[in-house]
Amino acid sequence: DIQLTQSPAFLSASVGDRVTITCRASQDISGYLVWYQQKPGKAPKRLIFAASTLPSGVPSRFSGSGSGTEFTLTISSLQPEDFGTYYCQQLSSHPLTFGGGTKVEIK
Amino acid sequence: QVQLQESGPGLVKPSETLSLSCAITGDSITSDHYWGWIRQPPGKGLEWIGNIYHSGDIFYNPSVKSRLTMSVDTSKSRVSLKLTSVTAADTAVYYCVRAPSLELRFLGIDSWGQGILVTVSS
Repeated sequence: DIQLTQSPAFLSASVGDRVTITCRASQDISGYLVWYQQKPGKAPKRLIFAASTLPSGVPSRFSGSGSGTEFTLTISSLQPEDFGTYYCQQLSSHPLTFGGGTKVEIK
Repeated sequence: QVQLQESGPGLVKPSETLSLSCAITGDSITSDHYWGWIRQPPGKGLEWIGNIYHSGDIFYNPSVKSRLTMSVDTSKSRVSLKLTSVTAADTAVYYCVRAPSLELRFLGIDSWGQGILVTVSS
């Protein structure tokens, strides 16, 4: 199975800060990586697919980069509504796996 | 816009079978998508359980494969999950999801149900 390691597990940042979350894969997954945002009590929502593509409707302050084994999710200017937990998921091979999550708190 | 609605008992006894159903509206169950389940134990992360295509093509997570059966009812536009011999470790919110075809899998999951909490307890 492909393991995904997210870091940090928790981060607290202020509105306007630039925030970066990392997802490392245990083997090469090319660009088969998706990022999701989950608010408490809600289902996750897709933020980025194919490592760096934003679906329509996702604010442009979100961006993704990386390929192979190392990926990043960046929020260029953190907004109050960006609190929640962020997960990466690999779709390169079955079983599909998720990272452990990064909880983002607004200071 | 596709909508996914999970249903089933919220409480299951240990060693019994957990049965869930997902009603699909706003999209054809025979569209070029997989339909799947993802679960999330309270306060923990996400775990992919399995995906099924309307033709019957199935992928299961090895962690539950020996206990899991997924099926598609095209006449009722429903996907079902059965998990046998449950334990407290199966307590989780279970999400029904729509996933892309293998060729487009880089798109990820674009639709989720609201989720249903299933508690395994006597």
